[in-house]
Amino acid sequence: EAGVAQSPRYKIIEKRQSVAFWCNPISGHATLYWYQQILGQGPKLLIQFQNNGVVDDSQLPKDRFSAERLKGVDSTLKIQPAKLEDSAVYLCASSLGQGLFFGPGTRLTVL
Amino acid sequence: EDKVVQSPLSLVVHEGDTVTLNCSYEVTNFRSLLWYKQEKKAPTFLFMLTSSGIEKKSGRLSSILDKKELFSILNITATQTGDSAVYLCAVADNYGQNFVFGPGTRLSVLP
Repeated sequence: EAGVAQSPRYKIIEKRQSVAFWCNPISGHATLYWYQQILGQGPKLLIQFQNNGVVDDSQLPKDRFSAERLKGVDSTLKIQPAKLEDSAVYLCASSLGQGLFFGPGTRLTVL
Repeated sequence: EDKVVQSPLSLVVHEGDTVTLNCSYEVTNFRSLLWYKQEKKAPTFLFMLTSSGIEKKSGRLSSILDKKELFSILNITATQTGDSAVYLCAVADNYGQNFVFGPGTRLSVLP
């Protein structure tokens, strides 16, 4: 069984630029999550999808972050414009109701 | 607000030592508690615990949950340098679809 796929693995941008991350969950997993993990901290939920609907986006900074999962499978997370404090690892995860399975993450550095 | 606390935040031991990592939680409608190991990449799943008092074991790692006192412990016996990682605890509520993470315990095992 293929795991959660993410791309790119690394991204370096300057502040005020835009960036997008892509995630393909484990086949059949209806629930998809985007987490932000700042160095030295645990993952923090940004947004949770159930199929193509948003379940929880209460911690998503909506003035600069957006995410979509149009066909209920893969998802994109965008930051526009980026700030220095957005430097973090962005983790995508999926679930079928038991446990949470993570992709390799995208390490974003904002200069 | 749901909360997960881990202790210690950091631990340094020598190979062969036994360590105990702690996780306490406050969460509405508790469903399960999960342990993950995170090296320089995405978290990898270790255990999921749903019932009090039943130990889960995998090799040198074991974990147990106390739902009355709202905590779990992760034990690692005969530690090896390959056990060096951040160990994350997460709790799931609402049908196991919402996950809240603790800050992690950084374990360093010296040769």
